[in-house]
Amino acid sequence: TQLLEQSPQFLSIQEGENLTVYCNSSSVFSSLQWYRQEPGEGPVLLVTVVTGGEVKKLKRLTFQFGDARKDSSLHITAAQPGDTGLYLCAGVPSGTYKYIFGTGTRLKVLA
Amino acid sequence: DTEVTQTPKHLVMGMTNKKSLKCEQHMGHRAMYWYKQKAKKPPELMFVYSYEKLSINESVPSRFSPECPNSSLLNLHLHALQPEDSALYLCASSQGSRAPGELFFGEGSRLTVL
Repeated sequence: TQLLEQSPQFLSIQEGENLTVYCNSSSVFSSLQWYRQEPGEGPVLLVTVVTGGEVKKLKRLTFQFGDARKDSSLHITAAQPGDTGLYLCAGVPSGTYKYIFGTGTRLKVLA
Repeated sequence: DTEVTQTPKHLVMGMTNKKSLKCEQHMGHRAMYWYKQKAKKPPELMFVYSYEKLSINESVPSRFSPECPNSSLLNLHLHALQPEDSALYLCASSQGSRAPGELFFGEGSRLTVL
């Protein structure tokens, strides 16, 4: 059973467009991380969200943690080709000690 | 540059070979992880070591044998693998394993089993 569902699975957009990626679960998380992974490399941490309702900004990327700490979103403004990659949310569901990853969103930004 | 170093970056082996993947971190982290990642899929947890002791084994076949010689090193010994074991193997570390928060990943070892 996949505890972290991401949507969309795949997104292909033009440079300059905006997009939002969603990460949803029925479990509560004490924190959630977002990573970006490029082909042939390991995931690189983008941000950690901890508090329900928290919003964090990283340049053109805005991350939000749901009030109930069961979901999160990543919004990218004016996407650039350098944003291309696999975006993964991850965390430890309440009641477990397993650090799991979401199903992933593969983003392709066309110049 | 990643602070988690994995070697080799690429490995090709036959089904009868014995090889090892190595991982090293010097961030003082006490938890280390092995993940397996197939193409276009998210990483899947294999093993977790906490304070050099195996704390999680996700029902991984015995042809994969992890070893944690000390707090900075993590090995994955491979023997009698199958072609379907071909994947990117990722090592990661974190400060703790109970509520790890952020994981730091190496660049991975791309394994091909012929």
